[in-house]
Amino acid sequence: AQTVTQSQPEMSVQEAETVTLSCTYDTSESDYYLFWYKQPPSRQMILVIRQEAYKQQNATENRFSVNFQKAAKSFSLKISDSQLGDAAMYFCACTSGTYKYIFGTGTRLKVLA
Amino acid sequence: ETGVTQTPRHLVMGMTNKKSLKCEQHLGHNAMYWYKQSAKKPLELMFVYSLEERVENNSVPSRFSPECPNSSHLFLHLHTLQPEDSALYLCASSQVWTGFTEAFFGQGTRLTVV
Repeated sequence: AQTVTQSQPEMSVQEAETVTLSCTYDTSESDYYLFWYKQPPSRQMILVIRQEAYKQQNATENRFSVNFQKAAKSFSLKISDSQLGDAAMYFCACTSGTYKYIFGTGTRLKVLA
Repeated sequence: ETGVTQTPRHLVMGMTNKKSLKCEQHLGHNAMYWYKQSAKKPLELMFVYSLEERVENNSVPSRFSPECPNSSHLFLHLHTLQPEDSALYLCASSQVWTGFTEAFFGQGTRLTVV
């Protein structure tokens, strides 16, 4: 069975600073995908970034990047130059490519002006 | 309209009422999902439909009844709910068994059972 753990219920970051959100996962699958989703107050879950497990290179999307440590089963999200609009719940998720997406409990990110 | 659309956005219902949640996806995906999101809990997968057949039912009480008439529409029929069923219900879709595996979500229905 797959599990996803986010150990930080809440994080705060000063505007323009950098913050890292942690995620660990466990899966018996050899091929899987990892995601970070953002859920702002509008409630819609929006994909921030994804990582294919077979790729060694860390994914990057503008100010968002991941640190994927496959052996340690760690998948952290780094947000650079934080903006007020980054304030949201962030969910880490894992899937083996079928229809089973397993989500963590989320980290609430506050951005301080 | 694009993406995944859920209606209604908010719903208040009594424990004896019958109501339905609707989800529509305009992405051409072949799988649709219902998730329940409660405070401080992981998203709970309730139902999955792949190619219009139910492939997952995670021990959800029978007071929740899904329906998938075609690949673009998904319903969740509700009856005799309990107060603990109050939550945000999220619909999602994805294209299974291709390289693009992320799920796309709707904005959810905030359900309050009184």
